[in-house]
Amino acid sequence: AQKITQTQPGMFVQEKEAVTLDCTYDTSDPSYGLFWYKQPSSGEMIFLIYQGSYDQQNATEGRYSLNFQKARKSANLVISASQLGDSAMYFCAILDTNAGKSTFGDGTTLTVKP
Amino acid sequence: GAVVSQHPSRVICKSGTSVKIECRSLDFQATTMFWYRQFPKQSLMLMATSNEGSKATYEQGVEKDKFLINHASLTLSTLTVTSAHPEDSSFYICSARGTLTNEQFFGPGTRLTVL
Repeated sequence: AQKITQTQPGMFVQEKEAVTLDCTYDTSDPSYGLFWYKQPSSGEMIFLIYQGSYDQQNATEGRYSLNFQKARKSANLVISASQLGDSAMYFCAILDTNAGKSTFGDGTTLTVKP
Repeated sequence: GAVVSQHPSRVICKSGTSVKIECRSLDFQATTMFWYRQFPKQSLMLMATSNEGSKATYEQGVEKDKFLINHASLTLSTLTVTSAHPEDSSFYICSARGTLTNEQFFGPGTRLTVL
């Protein structure tokens, strides 16, 4: 079974500063994928970034980067230059590439202060 | 990215009635669709995985007679909450996976309130 742990229920960051959201995972599969999603109060799940277990380089998408440390089984999300619109709940998820389904962490609520 | 729609976005019904939620992939064919349930401030809990043309696979603890899932075509999956009760009130989200990538594309969700 796969498991995702997000240890930060809530985080605060000042506008324009960077913030790191923690995510650790557990899996026995050699092949897996890691995702981060943003869920604003409207409820929609917004895809942010993806890292494959065999990817050599850390994934980046604009202001989002994924700090992938395979040996530590961590996949932290770094948001640079935070904006007020970044305030939302953030979920880390691991994809079981065999079964094709994802397991989500409990989420981190990020609040960006002006 | 690919678009997934859900209908209705919000539904209020009386206890004992059945509610059908539709999930459509608008611009791609989804061989696999997933149904999640989410309580306020909590994580997404996978309810079932549906593959087009076959029976859905339910996660442990999910009553398949209560939550009927049909995936009749490559662009449509439906979730029917039968004989709904107040404890079924929740946010239901579907996602669809295409044939080419591992990415899941999420619908906007349906908020169900059972009175």
